[in-house]
Amino acid sequence: ILNVEQSPQSLHVQEGDSTNFTCSFPSSNFYALHWYRWETAKSPEALFVMTLNGDEKKKGRISATLNTKEGYSYLYIKGSQPEDSATYLCAFFPISGGSNYKLTFGKGTLLTVNP
Amino acid sequence: ETGVTQSPTHLIKTRGQQVTLRCSSQSGHNTVSWYQQALGQGPQFIFQYYREEENGRGNFPPRFSGLQFPNYSSELNVNALELDDSALYLCASSLGGRPTGELFFGEGSRLTVL
Repeated sequence: ILNVEQSPQSLHVQEGDSTNFTCSFPSSNFYALHWYRWETAKSPEALFVMTLNGDEKKKGRISATLNTKEGYSYLYIKGSQPEDSATYLCAFFPISGGSNYKLTFGKGTLLTVNP
Repeated sequence: ETGVTQSPTHLIKTRGQQVTLRCSSQSGHNTVSWYQQALGQGPQFIFQYYREEENGRGNFPPRFSGLQFPNYSSELNVNALELDDSALYLCASSLGGRPTGELFFGEGSRLTVL
């Protein structure tokens, strides 16, 4: 059974603060790591799909890094805004995952940004 | 907005009943995956359909079944409902089911089993 852990489970920050959270996954048989942003009452929305060790991706104030050898990815939000409040999910796909799309998700990090 | 629509948004059933959930995928996408999110958990993979064929299955019993239609829309059927089937069911479409391609999710169908 694959284990994808996200920490912290939740956090509260003030508007303007920068924050980061972690996704840990098995370091062997890595193929791809996904990050999704899920606002309440909406659908999860893809942020990044990462495949290369050492890769860093950026979308506006949000960026992510990937370390496949030690099995973790960080998501950073610079200058948090209230509209960044959401659950951030990561999902892991191993090499042995076959041809189907069996992503294994973590439980998510719930971010609340207070104005 | 992803263009993936699910229906119904909410429904209540009793134990032993059967339920059908529906999903219309994003235009041009030929692959649909279904996920179950129980309270306090991350989404869990149920199965995937690619060009009308089941193309992989998670650890769910056979009473969870599905269909994909020629227009690539999909149904999830659950027979003999149990209390533990209460969850949010998410549908996601993609092109070709590649693990490096992002998923496009619907807003989900929330099922309550009493």
